[in-house]
Amino acid sequence: DIQMTQSPSSVSASVGDRVTITCRASQGFSRWLAWYQHKPGKAPKLLIYAASRLQSGVPSRFSGSGSGTDFTLTISSLQPEDFATYYCQQAHSFPYTFGQGTKLEIK
Amino acid sequence: QVQLQESGPGLVEPSQTLSLTCTVSGGSFSSGSYYWSWIRQPAGKGLEWIGRIYTSGSTNYNPSLESRVTISVDTSKNQFSLKLSSVTAADTAVYYCARVAWLRLEGYYYYYMDVWGEGTTVSVSS
Repeated sequence: DIQMTQSPSSVSASVGDRVTITCRASQGFSRWLAWYQHKPGKAPKLLIYAASRLQSGVPSRFSGSGSGTDFTLTISSLQPEDFATYYCQQAHSFPYTFGQGTKLEIK
Repeated sequence: QVQLQESGPGLVEPSQTLSLTCTVSGGSFSSGSYYWSWIRQPAGKGLEWIGRIYTSGSTNYNPSLESRVTISVDTSKNQFSLKLSSVTAADTAVYYCARVAWLRLEGYYYYYMDVWGEGTTVSVSS
C-alpha cells in the first residue's frame, strides 16, 4: 500500500493567514492526488483533484501542487469557514489511501 | 444536483454481517461515467477506503477487507450496497458512500471522489 503522511497533524492560524499543508507519499506518482475538507457531521468535500485542479465551486484561495512524492495544499487567505480537517488521498494504485488528516484550528 | 444517502442498521452484533445501502438521486446513476465507492472512519481515526464498483458490477476492494466485503449495484433502484461479514468492534465507524469521477489527461485516468454522502454511524456491539 502507498502510505500518505501529512504534516503538520494540526495547525493553529488566524483569519487572513496563508496556510500550507504537505502530503508525502511512500512511492512516487504523478497527478493521482486529491484533497478533501471535512467538518464534523458533514460529508467530506472535494477541493482539489489531479493534484492541482480546483473542483468546481471551490474558492480560488485553495490551490494544490506537487508531483512525485511531495504534494501541497495551500489556502492563501484563511476564512472562518475554512477551519476543518483536511485529508490528502492517492488514487495511483489500489487500495486508495488517505493521509491521517490535518486539523486546522482557530488561533 | 446529485446527492448520496447512506442507510442501514446503526447497530450490528459481533460476528454478524453489516449491510448498508447508498441511494443516488439527482443524477444519471447508470451513465457509465462514474464508479461508486465506500469509505469508513472509526471514531478519532482517519479515512479508510473499502472498495468501489462500476455500474457493470466490476469491483475493486481494499485487500485488508477483501475476504469479508461485497459491494453490489442495483441500477434499477439507483443504489449500491455494502456487505461486511464477521464484524467485530474494530468495524465500528462512520460509513460513507461516494461517487468516483475521473479526469482523462494525456492518456491517463485520474480518479477522485467528487460527491459524498453525509455518512451513517454503525456500531458493532452485543
